[in-house]
Amino acid sequence: SQQGEEDPQALSIQEGENATMNCSYKTSINNLQWYRQNSGRGLVHLILIRSNEREKHSGRLRVTLDTSKKSSSLLITASRAADTASYFCATEGYNQGGKLIFGQGTELSVKP
Amino acid sequence: NAGVTQTPKFRVLKTGQSMTLLCAQDMNHEYMYWYRQDPGMGLRLIHYSVGEGTTAKGEVPDGYNVSRLKKQNFLLGLESAAPSQTSVYFCASSYNGYEAEAFFGQGTRLTVV
Repeated sequence: SQQGEEDPQALSIQEGENATMNCSYKTSINNLQWYRQNSGRGLVHLILIRSNEREKHSGRLRVTLDTSKKSSSLLITASRAADTASYFCATEGYNQGGKLIFGQGTELSVKP
Repeated sequence: NAGVTQTPKFRVLKTGQSMTLLCAQDMNHEYMYWYRQDPGMGLRLIHYSVGEGTTAKGEVPDGYNVSRLKKQNFLLGLESAAPSQTSVYFCASSYNGYEAEAFFGQGTRLTVV
């Protein structure tokens, strides 16, 4: 079974609004990463948060990690139409030799 | 700098045929991965490699074989294709697999009829 489960599966918002996506996982991790995929393309890395970190920022992205709840959230502030894409969390499990396991993704649609 | 290149980009196979997907990276990365992506299923790890000459099973390895004879190449083989293997296949690589971002290829869309 997948390590990461994402919620919601789909999200539709207006330009300028914030978008929040959540990811839950099952076992201990070394880190959690977020990726973006535009339709028909490969995935692009957005941000990595280590297991000993609680929050991280990168531009309009804010990621939080709660290891006690085994969950993470990705916040995109002031969204733009160009943010329309699928977003995936991926976990590198503790003692898993670098194996990177992805969640099912959240499909974000930002309407202009 | 090409990054991660997958060959071919599209392929149609008949049930029972075999084929090999090639992944090449020019970033001197140690770790390489093969994933398949199906609608509503996200990416599922098929096999991965932690260095030249090594391979390991992922979440869905059945029906696939891999080889990593050269550090820059990671081959995914289908010995006897089945319609259930119709999918989009992605290769990825990372520097050392630990706290390192993965770089993805553009994908191979495979249809088995």
